[in-house]
Amino acid sequence: SQQGEEDPQALSIQEGENATMNCSYKTSINNLQWYRQNSGRGLVHLILIRSNEREKHSGRLRVTLDTSKKSSSLLITASRAADTASYFCATGDGTGTYKYIFGTGTRLKVLA
Amino acid sequence: ETGVTQTPRHLVMGMTNKKSLKCEQHLGHNAMYWYKQSAKKPLELMFVYNFKEQTENNSVPSRFSPECPNSSHLFLHLHTLQPEDSALYLCASSQVGEINEQFFGPGTRLTVL
Repeated sequence: SQQGEEDPQALSIQEGENATMNCSYKTSINNLQWYRQNSGRGLVHLILIRSNEREKHSGRLRVTLDTSKKSSSLLITASRAADTASYFCATGDGTGTYKYIFGTGTRLKVLA
Repeated sequence: ETGVTQTPRHLVMGMTNKKSLKCEQHLGHNAMYWYKQSAKKPLELMFVYNFKEQTENNSVPSRFSPECPNSSHLFLHLHTLQPEDSALYLCASSQVGEINEQFFGPGTRLTVL
């Protein structure tokens, strides 16, 4: 598997349900970020969690990080049709090498 | 809007053409990036410029030639491309530090015929 690999690859849910997607990575990290990409457009930064944090919230988003398992999860609560997008995690080692490694993403579809 | 603009948004070119992609950031950042996004593949980092100096070249073929005249502008010059180079090309910028949140432009959808 690749660094920053998201799971599942695709997810389809009804509006109002919660969506959970996971990210696994291989190497030590300093921080992990989640991005959203609407179809054919650029990525938008959602939330960042540092390696010494276990959980972080931002609005309807909840991110967890388990460094022992090298995994993170993104929970979107009370999903809306506008949440339909691809979601990517990106890992950084904090050394200033500017190299964030992105996965292939989870394609989320929220049905109205 | 993220503060990063890209032109053109769509580009169709033949294999013998020469074209350029342009990126501009209005955020005062000191680093700029080119990424390639192909279907069902992870986002691929192509080039990184920090304070106008190229600090990363991820084994990108020479038919892609970046140029960074100042910290706000980034170009990607294209020549003799192949059909497999068709992809979404994304530009990003960031303020380099321990946490390197990147701001992305909307991308240029490139089709090589």
